[in-house]
Amino acid sequence: GDSVTQMEGPVTLSEEAFLTINCTYTATGYPSLFWYVQYPGEGLQLLLKATKADDKGSNKGFEATYRKETTSFHLEKGSVQVSDSAVYFCALSDPEGDSNYQLIWGAGTKLIIKP
Amino acid sequence: DGGITQSPKYLFRKEGQNVTLSCEQNLNHDAMYWYRQDPGQGLRLIYYSQIVNDFQKGDIAEGYSVSREKKESFPLTVTSAQKNPTAFYLCASSIRKGRTEAFFGQGTRLTVV
Repeated sequence: GDSVTQMEGPVTLSEEAFLTINCTYTATGYPSLFWYVQYPGEGLQLLLKATKADDKGSNKGFEATYRKETTSFHLEKGSVQVSDSAVYFCALSDPEGDSNYQLIWGAGTKLIIKP
Repeated sequence: DGGITQSPKYLFRKEGQNVTLSCEQNLNHDAMYWYRQDPGQGLRLIYYSQIVNDFQKGDIAEGYSVSREKKESFPLTVTSAQKNPTAFYLCASSIRKGRTEAFFGQGTRLTVV
């Protein structure tokens, strides 16, 4: 079945450091890919998405490129801030998979940014 | 403003009681979902509904029940059969199943006392 694998956290960085959170996936069909962010005690917010190969999603300085050849959707940011501290979830939606269109979630990666 | 509203934000339940978590959306979305999140864990799907008066079990439906009498509302009841109900519960909706993203409420934190 479809699945999403994220790098384990927590990831701890200093302010202004470069961020990469790895996400790889397996899918039966041609999925859409998403990154969500969850701040402490809150629900999830969509951060960015990509629906076809080589698409780059971007928002708030974060970027991720849909790489079909490596089945990856790594999240990057050039200079992180303390306010970026949160849990980040990678997810996919595969209309052709056996998940019946449900979002398939990674386990989440906790990001801690130190001043 | 359009969005998803969950209430209450915090809920305390005594052992053996049923409790109902509210989820309302004004986004005119067809699909609605309930997830459970335990500390430091990812999301697990409890129930989902694609249309009014229809819903399907997710991965961890035991001890939970739902209804979908209106498009806007998808309440979740945590029954006494749920042995470990203390968790953070998230409601979400999407336009339809498929390639579309889901939008989330702010969550309800349920604690058994």
